[in-house]
Amino acid sequence: QKEVEQDPGPLSVPEGAIVSLNCTYSNSAFQYFMWYRQYSRKGPELLMYTYSSGNKEDGRFTAQVDKSSKYISLFIRDSQPSDSATYLCAMSPRGSSNTGKLIFGQGTTLQVKP
Amino acid sequence: DGGITQSPKYLFRKEGQNVTLSCEQNLNHDAMYWYRQDPGQGLRLIYYSQIVNDFQKGDIAEGYSVSREKKESFPLTVTSAQKNPTAFYLCASSPQPGPLLAKNIQYFGAGTRLSVL
Repeated sequence: QKEVEQDPGPLSVPEGAIVSLNCTYSNSAFQYFMWYRQYSRKGPELLMYTYSSGNKEDGRFTAQVDKSSKYISLFIRDSQPSDSATYLCAMSPRGSSNTGKLIFGQGTTLQVKP
Repeated sequence: DGGITQSPKYLFRKEGQNVTLSCEQNLNHDAMYWYRQDPGQGLRLIYYSQIVNDFQKGDIAEGYSVSREKKESFPLTVTSAQKNPTAFYLCASSPQPGPLLAKNIQYFGAGTRLSVL
């Protein structure tokens, strides 16, 4: 079993829809959680990052962490065609086991249709 | 502009040939990473370096080699021993490994797409 599981999709939604992207993980030591957006043939760019549990909002994007369920989510409100990309979750553990290495999910490909 | 520069953007390898992918950063970051991305897959770690003159193998190091002679540079060589090198290669850097959130954030270059002739 992979440490981080992410449904690869593809996920297709109409413009203006609310999108929910999710990752589950198995390592309870994970403490730092990130979402990256990757446009086709480009490098990933950091979208959101959170520490421990809770929610974080940035414009149309909300990142949510539920450590009790080992589940993280990224919500996109009022989705736009420009949001069409692959979204990668990434995480790393706390404390002495933290070497700076990130564990990535497989990535979910999102298409927002006009 | 601060950032990570990968070159070339596209690279072709002949059978039996070693090729080197360049990665340069001017962010003054201590840690650097190389990932491989195959279609429909996430990022797999090849090598990483937390400090100059030191590096560690990642999950798929076989057939690859690296060096870290300068803080700003972390070239990756794809050797002839790597039998399936066709992939998208990404270089990343972070301030330094450690327990603080900011040190865990990695910043990526634009990638090099390697194909076999």
